[in-house]
Amino acid sequence: QVQLQESGPGLVKPSGTLSLTCAVSGDSINNNNWWTWVRQPPGKGLEWIGEIYHSGSTNYNPSLKSRVTISIDKSKNQFSLKLNSVTAADAAVYYCARAQSLKVFDWLFLRWFDPWGQGTLVTVSS
Amino acid sequence: DIQMTQSPSSLSASVGDRVTISCRASQIISSYLNWYQQKLGKAPKLLIYGASTLQSGVPSRFSASGSGTEFTLTISSLQPEDFATYYCQQSGSFGGGTKVEIK
Repeated sequence: QVQLQESGPGLVKPSGTLSLTCAVSGDSINNNNWWTWVRQPPGKGLEWIGEIYHSGSTNYNPSLKSRVTISIDKSKNQFSLKLNSVTAADAAVYYCARAQSLKVFDWLFLRWFDPWGQGTLVTVSS
Repeated sequence: DIQMTQSPSSLSASVGDRVTISCRASQIISSYLNWYQQKLGKAPKLLIYGASTLQSGVPSRFSASGSGTEFTLTISSLQPEDFATYYCQQSGSFGGGTKVEIK
């Protein structure tokens, strides 16, 4: 059974960097999957952040691209998210998930997320 | 970017009711549309991918259809455990969600 577990600080200062890690068990991060981050502000909907392949290839949400870095650590079977220059708008539950992702056109992907981690709440406050 | 619009944003229904949720894409996306269920305080769960393929383990009372820009998720007979929020998703865009509440 594939399981994903997010970890990282639950509190980040404004203008600081949010750093989270997702540990994967039950599947190898080297397999033919993408690994993704999604966030959800309290009481709001879901927002895709980006994804990474074991080769290091990444795709990011254009609205966050300038502030986001997703990286992978194959030796630890985990991947990570860094979001810099955070503001209160970045406060959310952050989920990691395994993704199936196939590019059809530059703007169109066959992409779905399963399974998901339980999520971790990140608050932005001084 | 593709925009996904769900309707209604919420609905009230009774156990045993047939429930239909709609999702519209801002441009043609073929059948590249997925549906998720999210219960309060939990991570989303994949229900359907590729517009109509039921994920393993998902009850058969869930079904979905559509292609192009118009898609539908149907719950044939609503069960107590189905009260949740449902999201459609394409590429990097999610719909705003439909909250299914008890009438």
